[in-house]
Formats: sequence, structure tokens, C-alpha cells
Amino acid sequence: NAGVMQNPRHLVRRRGQEARLRCSPMKGHSHVYWYRQLPEEGLKFMVYLQKENIIDESGMPKERFSAEFPKEGPSILRIQQVVRGDSAAYFCASSPHYRDEQFFGPGTRLTVL
Amino acid sequence: AQTVTQSQPEMSVQEAETVTLSCTYDTSESDYYLFWYKQPPSRQMILVIRQEAYKQQNATENRFSVNFQKAAKSFSLKISDSQLGDAAMYFCALLNSGGGADGLTFGKGTHLIIQP
Repeated sequence: NAGVMQNPRHLVRRRGQEARLRCSPMKGHSHVYWYRQLPEEGLKFMVYLQKENIIDESGMPKERFSAEFPKEGPSILRIQQVVRGDSAAYFCASSPHYRDEQFFGPGTRLTVL
Repeated sequence: AQTVTQSQPEMSVQEAETVTLSCTYDTSESDYYLFWYKQPPSRQMILVIRQEAYKQQNATENRFSVNFQKAAKSFSLKISDSQLGDAAMYFCALLNSGGGADGLTFGKGTHLIIQP
């Protein structure tokens, strides 16, 4: 059973560009979470999605950030008009049930020039 | 809102010795889960151990064990017979079973150094 997959592993964008981060959960997992890790910090929860639904986006910045988890395909975290402060590692996790153990992907390191 | 505090930014231990990492938390919920995650230089988050708050017995996984004190809201991790491969950042995390945010709440981490 393959683990949580994230791609790309590294992404470089210039200020003002868009960043798209992809996450494929573990097989059989329908719950997906996105976290952001700034340098020297712990992970911060951003958003929780189930298939086709955003359940909890309490940690998501109100502007420029959006997430989706379509019926088919991976979950996408989209950051529009990136700024230098968006540079961070973005982790995706999945779980088989609500409020259950979460399995993490390897992360995407976003660098904004 | 729930919080998780790790008061030790860095800890160092001799190989084969025992080390304890501290974690305190705050939540208004009565039912929750606590976790310790390890993050080596590869940055992959690896689950080390988990504890359900309703269980009084402390969780144990091989060389890793916890001291869970619910009344004190304390959840420390003990690593016995430390090995070089244990060197990593360790994060304590909380997940409420019912209310509050649906995601994990993490502490800022403790950097564990293993001295050969």
C-alpha cells in the first residue's frame, strides 16, 4: 500500500506567480489535511477536506489560498500571487476515518524568489 | 483553542542513554488523542507513538514510551537506549475527538541530538 504522495517535492516560483501543490492520499483514505511548516516551527493546520467537500478551513489564509479534493484525482492546494512569506514546507496527510491517525506525505518545499 | 507547548528547543543525549522530551497541552475537550511525531532531516513526518486520553495506561512502542498525566495535561516522551538514528526533530501533537479544529495542533518541536 503506497503511502501519501505529494508532488512536486520542490517548487520554485517568482513573486506573483501561482503555485499548485498536489497530494494523493493513501488508498482507501477519503480524509485529507494540509499543513504548513515555516522554518524552525511546528506544522500548522490549514484545511481539512473530504471528497468534493471542504470541511474545515479554519487555518487557511482568507486570500490567495484555496484547496480542493475532487471526486477523481489528487487534492490540490493552490496559492495565487505568491509572496516571499509563502515560502515554507507544505505537508499533506490522510486518514481512513474522521478524527483518526493521520499519515503524512513527504512534503512540498515551496521557495518564492 | 487548543495549544501544545514544548519547552525544550534542543536536547542532547549520549548514545545508549535515556532521554525524556517534555510536552504540555491545553484543551477544553475531555476526549482527545496525543501523538509524538519524529521529523528527521528528510523532513518526512513519522508517527512514533499515540495515546488516547481515555486510556490510563501509558503507551509503549519498543524503546519509546510516554508518561501521560491527564490532570496535569502533560505528555512526555521517553526514549530508552538512544540510537544515532533517533536524531531528529520531535513534535508533540494533539487531536480533539469532538470539537475544535479538525487538524492536529503541533508544538514547536524539540531538536534531539545523539552524541556517539
